Amino acid sequence: EAQVTQNPRYLITVTGKKLTVTCSQNMNHEYMSWYRQDPGLGLRQIYYSMNVEVTDKGDVPEGYKVSRKEKRNFPLILESPSPNQTSLYFCASSLFAVDTQYFGPGTRLTVL
Amino acid sequence: GQQLNQSPQSMFIQEGEDVSMNCTSSSIFNTWLWYKQDPGEGPVLLIALYKAGELTSNGRLTAQFGITRKDSFLNISASIPSDVGIYFCAGQLTNNNDMRFGAGTRLTVKP
Repeated sequence: EAQVTQNPRYLITVTGKKLTVTCSQNMNHEYMSWYRQDPGLGLRQIYYSMNVEVTDKGDVPEGYKVSRKEKRNFPLILESPSPNQTSLYFCASSLFAVDTQYFGPGTRLTVL
Repeated sequence: GQQLNQSPQSMFIQEGEDVSMNCTSSSIFNTWLWYKQDPGEGPVLLIALYKAGELTSNGRLTAQFGITRKDSFLNISASIPSDVGIYFCAGQLTNNNDMRFGAGTRLTVKP
């Protein structure tokens, strides 16, 4: 089954404790991206990747890092999480940048 | 960053009524997309628009890519209870490959 998976689905952590949210797709897509969703603001793109080893900042990249060492995986790293990064995070992938994006189920992160 | 202005923010309609929502921006977009999000799930693509002026239908849904490339609308005809959810417009800017989303339209359909 074609899908985008994210782990964990829910995470509660404390300020400053490094964390990684994994994202994996099995559709051989080149384009992957991370979004955060906050009430009243819709989805805002954090980072995206056009292909392996190619990543670019989106609209709100501050406080986040990503890597794309393999085509299928695109982890989101928070080196020192802060409470303002409490949000719902979605990973998405598509064959190309201008193509249908498939979204993962979301990761709800709470930073205390 | 450049955001999309989506309206209305929310709608409460009776089953069977038609619905219209739109997105505008001061920037020019290459692509306009419309998504629906159900509670606890990620957005699911409804319609994708790739050319200015394009009018595309998907069942009871119809969307158009504005001629100026700065706006798009989504119409839902003869609404049914399962249309309930949050609808998002999204666009890809002309000068890069990142995506912008509207804040969403929350649709409630009363049986």
